[in-house]
Amino acid sequence: DIKMTQSPSSLSASVGDRVTISCRASQSISGYLNWYQQKPGKPPKLLIYGASSLQSGVPSRFSGSGSGTDFTLTISSLQPEDFATYFCQQGYSSPFPFGQGTKLEIK
Amino acid sequence: EVQLVESGGGLIQPGGSLRLSCAASGFTVSTNSMSWVRQAPGKGLEWVSLLSSDGTTDYADSVAGRFTISRDNSKNTLYLEMNSLRAEDTAVYHCASLSVYYYDTSGFTAAGYYFDYWGQGTLVTVSS
Repeated sequence: DIKMTQSPSSLSASVGDRVTISCRASQSISGYLNWYQQKPGKPPKLLIYGASSLQSGVPSRFSGSGSGTDFTLTISSLQPEDFATYFCQQGYSSPFPFGQGTKLEIK
Repeated sequence: EVQLVESGGGLIQPGGSLRLSCAASGFTVSTNSMSWVRQAPGKGLEWVSLLSSDGTTDYADSVAGRFTISRDNSKNTLYLEMNSLRAEDTAVYHCASLSVYYYDTSGFTAAGYYFDYWGQGTLVTVSS
């Protein structure tokens, strides 16, 4: 099975910072990569699908890039509501593996 | 507005059985692909099972043979029957819809999937 690995596992940043989170697949998954945001006690929220397509209603400060095995989620200017945990996920076929998550904390 | 509401979680002894429900509103379970995704306390997300609109089912290796996914179209509800429960099944169980998108790449049309609508989840604790 394909394994998804995110880095870093945690990250401290300030409001206004530009932040990037990486996700690597153990083998090529073309552009089948999704990103989710999860806040404590809430279900995940879809941000990006197909590596770079912004889900409806998601602010444009979020962007995704990459293909093959290496992907990146970028937040161009952190807002207070962006402090959360972010997960990548392979979106080609089951078992739809997720990365282990990146916790974004306030510096 | 789409709402998915899970119920049926609780404390259960190892080896026991439990049935989870996911009631949908503003959304038709039978015409969409639906999944269960779980999250152990303080851990990441793990896909558990899939029920496609055509009735095809799929399971993670960790639950295959023990869990069964099904739906009741008249109640617009998704279920997860869980048997032979183990401590490692302890998690919040979310139901989620699995949607498909299409894009053109290298001269052909490819299909990808994402989880778009999620329920809040129901906690299953397996412990003696």
